[in-house]
Amino acid sequence: GQNIDQPTEMTATEGAIVQINCTYQTSGFNGLFWYQQHAGEAPTFLSYNVLDGLEEKGRFSSFLSRSKGYSYLLLKELQMKDSASYLCAVRGLNAGKSTFGDGTTLTVKP
Amino acid sequence: EAQVTQNPRYLITVTGKKLTVTCSQNMNHEYMSWYRQDPGLGLRQIYYSMNVEVTDKGDVPEGYKVSRKEKRNFPLILESPSPNQTSLYFCASSLSSGGGYTFGSGTRLTVV
Repeated sequence: GQNIDQPTEMTATEGAIVQINCTYQTSGFNGLFWYQQHAGEAPTFLSYNVLDGLEEKGRFSSFLSRSKGYSYLLLKELQMKDSASYLCAVRGLNAGKSTFGDGTTLTVKP
Repeated sequence: EAQVTQNPRYLITVTGKKLTVTCSQNMNHEYMSWYRQDPGLGLRQIYYSMNVEVTDKGDVPEGYKVSRKEKRNFPLILESPSPNQTSLYFCASSLSSGGGYTFGSGTRLTVV
């Protein structure tokens, strides 16, 4: 099975940088995904890592270390609209199965 | 517009009355999945499908059924709903194992 841990809540200031960590334990690994979910809305896909290293997409970057079972999502130049829940998800060797962490609620303050 | 469409958005029903939540995607995606989201428990996978006529259980399949007779549709069936199935349900699809999910807008189900 999969076990995914992420902090429950984080607070950061507008314009700053924040790093949201995710650790996982899995019996098989086929990729790690990050999603953003605003309150009352559906999750939206942010990033995908399957190899070790950093993937950059504009203000958002995601890092993966498979040997450590660790990923982080880095958000730069924070904006108020970045206040949301950020979900880490792991896809197992059975590619149809994806397990989500409970999410990290990020609050961006002026 | 590429999207996953779920219906209905809101549903209140009574215990034991069979219901179906429909899900349709227009992106020719292979993978489809159903999740439920509950406070404090995150998103939990109910069932998934990797192609037409190929479905399998997720982590919380009890009390649910699915079918995948055509690529675009993946309905979720509750044969005899119970109050513990009150939840927010999301359908999602992805092109392949390396693709992120596109989620539907969600169905908020209340079983009384």
